[in-house]
Amino acid sequence: GQNIDQPTEMTATEGAIVQINCTYQTSGFNGLFWYQQHAGEAPTFLSYNVLDGLEEKGRFSSFLSRSKGYSYLLLKELQMKDSASYLCAPLGSGAGSYQLTFGKGTKLSVIP
Amino acid sequence: ETGVTQTPRHLVMGMTNKKSLKCEQHLGHNAMYWYKQSAKKPLELMFVYSLEERVENNSVPSRFSPECPNSSHLFLHLHTLQPEDSALYLCASSQGGTYSSTDTQYFGPGTRLTVL
Repeated sequence: GQNIDQPTEMTATEGAIVQINCTYQTSGFNGLFWYQQHAGEAPTFLSYNVLDGLEEKGRFSSFLSRSKGYSYLLLKELQMKDSASYLCAPLGSGAGSYQLTFGKGTKLSVIP
Repeated sequence: ETGVTQTPRHLVMGMTNKKSLKCEQHLGHNAMYWYKQSAKKPLELMFVYSLEERVENNSVPSRFSPECPNSSHLFLHLHTLQPEDSALYLCASSQGGTYSSTDTQYFGPGTRLTVL
């Protein structure tokens, strides 16, 4: 089965740095995705990690430790438009095929 | 036309109605998905189609019936729904003809469904 844990809500100040953690337990792990979802909109792809370590992409970075079942998303130089939910989604196996399982998401509020 | 589109964006239906949700992807992808997103619950995978064949069905009630006539179109037929089926229904697509582990899924804007 799949078990994903991430904080429900976080608040950070514009211009600051915030780290959103995610722990997971999954069978047949094959990488982890992070998605951003603004209220009422579709999730949009942010990052994919399959190897341990840090992947940097502009203001956003994502880290993975497979042995610890742990990932984080790091957002730098926060902007108001970064207020959204951030979904952690490990890719595991289920019923003979790979399955993307989403966490409940972390709602980030960026304040002036 | 951009990415993945869904119609209608909002739908209100009674429990005895029959309606259909439509998804279309303009990305040349070979796999399509239906997800359900309820308030305060994570995205739940409902159906997966790869090369127009259903490869995954996560024990979804039969009142939801998917149809994939070609690799660009996906439908979700609804009948005799319950109020607890009210949710945001999201469609997604990905590149692979098989359920590839590295393929990113691209989502449509969703249909906000309310069952009265």
